[in-house]
Amino acid sequence: AQTVTQSQPEMSVQEAETVTLSCTYDTSESDYYLFWYKQPPSRQMILVIRQEAYKQQNATENRFSVNFQKAAKSFSLKISDSQLGDAAMYFCAYNAQAGTYKYIFGTGTRLKVLA
Amino acid sequence: EPEVTQTPSHQVTQMGQEVILRCVPISNHLYFYWYRQILGQKVEFLVSFYNNEISEKSEIFDDQFSVERPDGSNFTLKIRSTKLEDSAMYFCASRRGDSTYGFFGQGTRLTVV
Repeated sequence: AQTVTQSQPEMSVQEAETVTLSCTYDTSESDYYLFWYKQPPSRQMILVIRQEAYKQQNATENRFSVNFQKAAKSFSLKISDSQLGDAAMYFCAYNAQAGTYKYIFGTGTRLKVLA
Repeated sequence: EPEVTQTPSHQVTQMGQEVILRCVPISNHLYFYWYRQILGQKVEFLVSFYNNEISEKSEIFDDQFSVERPDGSNFTLKIRSTKLEDSAMYFCASRRGDSTYGFFGQGTRLTVV
């Protein structure tokens, strides 16, 4: 069975600094997607960034980038120039490109941004 | 941009009552999902639905739960006799037939008292 592990329950970063959130996963599939979702206090799920497993190039979206290490099954999120609005829960998620394409989520990392 | 819409945003119900959570998926999407997030915990898969049938369900999705697409646009989750532990955020998601990932609604917060 696929699993997603986020080992950092909480992280803090100074405004304008860079922070990296860790995620590891386990799967026997070769084709899948990985995601980072942001969940603010409103509890809405906001897609931050996604990575296709077949792509070697790491995805980037403005201040957000990932470090995808397929062999190590690692998928970390780097937030550059952190802003107060980045404070939220961040969930790593896996989606196998087979079956029902359901998401499997990690337990989340709460990010605090310090002014 | 099209989005998945869920109603209501917050529902309070008495234990033992039936609740129906509603979702309007994106119009050309064919695959539909419900997820649950108990406060402070991770998001968990409940059920996937395609072609008017359940295609997969988790162990959480017991006989108290049911889903249907009554009119071709709405996608509903019914909980027959709510328990205190059903209190959670419920997310609907939908996916196009040719896409490999879904889009989430904004969630419905269910509080059972």
